[in-house]
Amino acid sequence: QVQLQESGPGLVKPSQTLSLTCTVSGGSISNSDNYWSWIRQPPGKGLEWIGNIYYNGRTNYNPSLKSRILISLNMSKNQFSLELSSVTAADTALYYCARDWNYIWFDPWGQGTLVTVSS
Amino acid sequence: EIVLTQSPGTLSLSPGERATLSCRASQTISSSYLAWYQQKRGQAPRLLIYSASTRATGIPDRFSGSGSETDFTLTISRLEPEDFAVYYCQLYGSSPTWTFGQGTKVEIK
Repeated sequence: QVQLQESGPGLVKPSQTLSLTCTVSGGSISNSDNYWSWIRQPPGKGLEWIGNIYYNGRTNYNPSLKSRILISLNMSKNQFSLELSSVTAADTALYYCARDWNYIWFDPWGQGTLVTVSS
Repeated sequence: EIVLTQSPGTLSLSPGERATLSCRASQTISSSYLAWYQQKRGQAPRLLIYSASTRATGIPDRFSGSGSETDFTLTISRLEPEDFAVYYCQLYGSSPTWTFGQGTKVEIK
């Protein structure tokens, strides 16, 4: 079965770029049946979809974050990545990666990784 | 942009009771694109229901979803101790975009 695991720095300074990687196992990110998404959850708050990527590199981004986001693929490592630039304390959150099953539903999810923006 | 509003914010119930959670869309949506997730404390969300009423693999039949147009409901027929959690509805919309409701917490009374 497909499993996802997020990795990356847990602390990022304000104005810098947050970079995270999601490693997929048990399935290929080159599978045309799925998108691959990033979702975040500020501490004690709800879920916010950030954006996703298709196997051919096509991306969709949350309009509220679009100017700061870059999502990319690394086929050779079966990974996809998130870069979020010009971060502020408001970007402190638990960041999840997930498979967009049937392009629509998020299943499964990674366990999440906490990123804190602080000097 | 379609907004999903969940109610109530918190539901206080006892094990064995019935839970009814609401998700209202700001405009008519296709039920094919509405899902529900469960998030237990300290865990990632888990897909419960998709296409408004279809249970995901391994989800017990005490969970059911219904609704159409703008009003959707997640029902837990008899609460088990492991069902106390936060529940989110989610929409796949045009553009395309993916949107979550703000969540309903089901807590032990």
